[in-house]
Amino acid sequence: QKEVEQNSGPLSVPEGAIASLNCTYSDRVSQSFFWYRQYSGKSPELIMSIYSNGDKEDGRFTAQLNKASQYVSLLIRDSQPSDSATYLCAAYSGGGADGLTFGKGTHLIIQP
Amino acid sequence: GAVVSQHPSWVICKSGTSVKIECRSLDFQATTMFWYRQFPKQSLMLMATSNEGSKATYEQGVEKDKFLINHASLTLSTLTVTSAHPEDSSFYICSARRDYTDTQYFGPGTRLTVL
Repeated sequence: QKEVEQNSGPLSVPEGAIASLNCTYSDRVSQSFFWYRQYSGKSPELIMSIYSNGDKEDGRFTAQLNKASQYVSLLIRDSQPSDSATYLCAAYSGGGADGLTFGKGTHLIIQP
Repeated sequence: GAVVSQHPSWVICKSGTSVKIECRSLDFQATTMFWYRQFPKQSLMLMATSNEGSKATYEQGVEKDKFLINHASLTLSTLTVTSAHPEDSSFYICSARRDYTDTQYFGPGTRLTVL
């Protein structure tokens, strides 16, 4: 059974600080990882993908992957109130037709 | 690029009727599309994988005769909820995987309310 685990939160972070979101996955053959942001009542929006161990930066966002520990994280620098949302971690294990395995999401609140 | 549309964005129907939801990838080809359902305050649940030109693959517990999926082209998949009942009321979201990549892009979702 493939599983992706996230702390549901809420995670409360003051505006301007760094928000750190974490995720672990169970399937060792997972090869691709994604972070999606979902605002209440809306569909998920892709923020970042990461495939290799290490860090990947895109603007205020940094994704980190450690395959040995089966751990993925997302850092949001200079957090803004508009970053308040649920962040979904997803893993893909390949196999062509398989969908992503999603975590339940972490609810992030940026306090002005 | 990578825009996925869904139509309708919301629909209200009477119990026992059927509702069709369309999912289109507007600027890329998607041999594989996915249908998810999300109940309030819950995570996304994958219902089925839709492959162009072949039968859909349904997740355990999802009735294939109730949720009919047709993937007629490389840019269009449809989900038909047949004989809808109030318990089918939910937020239905499709995603399309760009060919030759692992990345899925989500449509805006369709909110279904069955009276």
